[in-house]
Amino acid sequence: QVTLKESGPGILQPSQTLSLTCTFSGFSLSTYGMGVGWIRQPSGKGLEWLANIWWDDDKYYNPSLKNRLTISKDTSNNQAFLKITNVDTADTATYYCARLHTTGIPFDYWGQGVMVTVSS
Amino acid sequence: EIVLTQSPTTMAASPGEKVTITCRASSSVSYMYWYQQKSGASPKPWIYETSKLASGVPDRFSGSGSGTSYSFTISSMETEDAATYYCHQWSSTPWTFGGGTKLELK
Repeated sequence: QVTLKESGPGILQPSQTLSLTCTFSGFSLSTYGMGVGWIRQPSGKGLEWLANIWWDDDKYYNPSLKNRLTISKDTSNNQAFLKITNVDTADTATYYCARLHTTGIPFDYWGQGVMVTVSS
Repeated sequence: EIVLTQSPTTMAASPGEKVTITCRASSSVSYMYWYQQKSGASPKPWIYETSKLASGVPDRFSGSGSGTSYSFTISSMETEDAATYYCHQWSSTPWTFGGGTKLELK
């Protein structure tokens, strides 16, 4: 059974760094073809892909967030991480992590999402 | 960046009615993917590789298309189908989603 769960700070202030953790089970990020992606959704709005990391540590980022994103993983503890630097109110959203693999369905399992509010 | 434009953005359908949603890509993509999201819930994969149904998806749903034009169809609307549907491409980075189509029950 594949599960993912996001965790984060809930609220943070503009200019701070947002650190998100995705803790998963039912698959391994050391398995060929596996990956984890991060997607966010402002309240009442659409989905935006942010970044993903693959089993071989290959990483891809959405250039719209320029150099603010860093994705990483801890294979031993079944976790993936996303950091977003210099946040502002536009980063207020629900952040999801989701499983990827190189064939079939991208984002086939999603976490429940974690709401992050950026406010002074 | 490949922009995905969905239409309509909102619609309402009566039980038994046929529903069609379109997704146009600004450049050609290999496949289109569709997700269903109900209020307060995470998105779920619904259709993959343009026309294949994800596990558990009823066969009243279908997808078709190629290149820059794709469609998502419900042959006969049911109450449980009320949701927002998003198209998605991962043919090229940055991966993108359509703006969503909110489907309501009439």
